[in-house]
Amino acid sequence: EAGVAQSPRYKIIEKRQSVAFWCNPISGHATLYWYQQILGQGPKLLIQFQNNGVVDDSQLPKDRFSAERLKGVDSTLKIQPAKLEDSAVYLCASRIAGGNNEQFFGPGTRLTVL
Amino acid sequence: GNSVTQMEGPVTLSEEAFLTINCTYTATGYPSLFWYVQYPGEGLQLLLKATKADDKGSNKGFEATYRKETTSFHLEKGSVQVSDSAVYFCALSPDSNYQLIWGAGTKLIIKP
Repeated sequence: EAGVAQSPRYKIIEKRQSVAFWCNPISGHATLYWYQQILGQGPKLLIQFQNNGVVDDSQLPKDRFSAERLKGVDSTLKIQPAKLEDSAVYLCASRIAGGNNEQFFGPGTRLTVL
Repeated sequence: GNSVTQMEGPVTLSEEAFLTINCTYTATGYPSLFWYVQYPGEGLQLLLKATKADDKGSNKGFEATYRKETTSFHLEKGSVQVSDSAVYFCALSPDSNYQLIWGAGTKLIIKP
C-alpha cells in the first residue's frame, strides 16, 4: 500500500513570495490533516479535512495561508505572502474514517524563507 | 486545556542501556495516548498507542502504560540499539475528532 505522498520535499523562497505544497493521501482515507512543525517543536495542526469539507481550520493563519481539497483526495496548502517565521516542515497526514485514531504521515516539505 | 509535556532531550545512552522517556499530559475526559517516532530523514510513524486507563501499548520492544492517576504515558525499552536513535513524540487525542496534540519531542542518541 502506497503511503502519503508530498511534494516538493524542499523549498527555499524569499519572504513575500508565494509557495504551494501538495499532498496525496493514502487511497480511501477520508480525513486529511496539514501540520506545521517548527524546528524543535511538535507538529501544530493547521487544518483538518473530512472528504472535501473543512472540519477545523481554527489555527490556520487565514490572512496568508489557504488550503483546499477539491475532490476529497489530493490537497494543496498555499502560503502567500511568506514570512520568515513560516520556515518549518509542513506535514500532511491522513486517516481512514471511523475506526482507530492512527494518522499516517508523509515525509514532509521543508520550507526555508530567506 | 489539553497539553503534553515530554522530558527534554537529547537523551544519550549506550547500546543495551535501559530507556525511559517521560511524558505527562493534561486533558479533560479520557483521551487516547500515542508515541510516534521520527527516524532521521523519514516521516512520523506510530510506535504504539493506548486508548484507556491501564492499557499497555507495545511495539518493537518499546512499552508504555496509560496511567490515569499520574496522567502519564512514559516510554520504556529494556535494551536500546543504535537503530533506535530518533526523535520520539508523545501525543494525545482528546475526543472523537481524532486530532492530535503533541509534545515537543525528545531526541534519543544511542552510542555503540
